[in-house]
Amino acid sequence: DTGVSQNPRHKITKRGQNVTFRCDPISEHNRLYWYRQTLGQGPEFLTYFQNEAQLEKSRLLSDRFSAERPKGSFSTLEIQRTEQGDSAMYLCASTPYGSYEQYFGPGTRLTVT
Amino acid sequence: AQKVTQAQTEISVVEKEDVTLDCVYETRDTTYYLFWYKQPPSGELVFLIRRNSFDEQNEISGRYSWNFQKSTSSFNFTITASQVVDSAVYFCALRGDTTSGTYKYIFGTGTRLKVLA
Repeated sequence: DTGVSQNPRHKITKRGQNVTFRCDPISEHNRLYWYRQTLGQGPEFLTYFQNEAQLEKSRLLSDRFSAERPKGSFSTLEIQRTEQGDSAMYLCASTPYGSYEQYFGPGTRLTVT
Repeated sequence: AQKVTQAQTEISVVEKEDVTLDCVYETRDTTYYLFWYKQPPSGELVFLIRRNSFDEQNEISGRYSWNFQKSTSSFNFTITASQVVDSAVYFCALRGDTTSGTYKYIFGTGTRLKVLA
């Protein structure tokens, strides 16, 4: 069991550029969550996948954000036309079927300059 | 609407002191789940405990104990004989019943615990 992995760990980009992050959940975990965490705050829910289906997306999430989980395994989160306000830690978590405990990855820290 | 409040932003204690981290939640769901997570300086959130709304038994795990009280909508976390390695940010989280149409977990803003040697 290698845990949840996320790549890249750090990303610095210029405002207006597109970025894509990848999350590899724990093998056989069918549920996958994306969160955003800013300094001094708790993780903020972005979106949820059950297998390959995106079942929920935060109403606060801009249309510039999109996520996929094409084969029910790894997931990608894309941010288009990045803004300085997008600077944050992006966390991925996975949960096995029938459980509620989330296993978090180390996160991708995004800095938009 | 669901909400988790951790009113204590930061707590400092001296090693071996006991410390309690408070968590108050709001939900209209009759079935819900409460969690505590630890985020050490390295950054990765670590699951500590889950409590179901229909199970009000308190739990003890080593130096950690949790007090769940539905009457006051609280789920407090106590560390006995704190150690420097307990220094971290602790988050309380809530997940409601999916019959309400949501799968999201709601996290509090966290309590930063500093244990001084």
